[in-house]
Amino acid sequence: KAGVTQTPRYLIKTRGQQVTLSCSPISGHRSVSWYQQTPGQGLQFLFEYFSETQRNKGNFPGRFSGRQFSNSRSEMNVSTLELGDSALYLCASSLGPTEASEQYFGPGTRLTVT
Amino acid sequence: QQQVKQSPQSLIVQKGGISIINCAYENTAFDYFPWYQQFPGKGPALLIAIRPDVSEKKEGRFTISFNKSAKQFSLHIMDSQPGDSATYFCASKGGADGLTFGKGTHLIIQP
Repeated sequence: KAGVTQTPRYLIKTRGQQVTLSCSPISGHRSVSWYQQTPGQGLQFLFEYFSETQRNKGNFPGRFSGRQFSNSRSEMNVSTLELGDSALYLCASSLGPTEASEQYFGPGTRLTVT
Repeated sequence: QQQVKQSPQSLIVQKGGISIINCAYENTAFDYFPWYQQFPGKGPALLIAIRPDVSEKKEGRFTISFNKSAKQFSLHIMDSQPGDSATYFCASKGGADGLTFGKGTHLIIQP
């Protein structure tokens, strides 16, 4: 069974632009969570989607948003990019709601903001 | 802020030795404690996880020990191998919250 796929793998954007990242969960998985990984702050939870509904959101500004489609694929969007948004963005896939299911991570999208 | 404190930050172990990484949490609502392994350029890979109804879980060379009263849990890697060299993250979770991660331990196994 294929793992979690994320596209693109690498991205370079300019400050002030917006960016959309995509995540395809493991086949049959219905929950997608997003995390940001930076050297300074480590791994931080962004949000979780299950059945196209956002179930929870971490402590990030409103510039960070996401959505989930009926096929469980998910996108996250960051508007008005700042230099501090440079990070590895990770998507994690779960069979069901994350309180009852293990999370499996994709390889991430490396975003560089210049 | 709910925190998970992980130690040590870095660890060097000889091949065949035991690697031990410790974590402590604050939130008593946490009820799921996974460990992830991450290689450079890769996403974290789920290694082993435990829930607080048991004090120990073993899978191959990897063991989680859990102390609910002390709010601590640890990862033991037996017979450590050079291929185990990676960054290890503990995490904790309660209910519908996202995973709260420790800062990571950079493990080097010397041949």
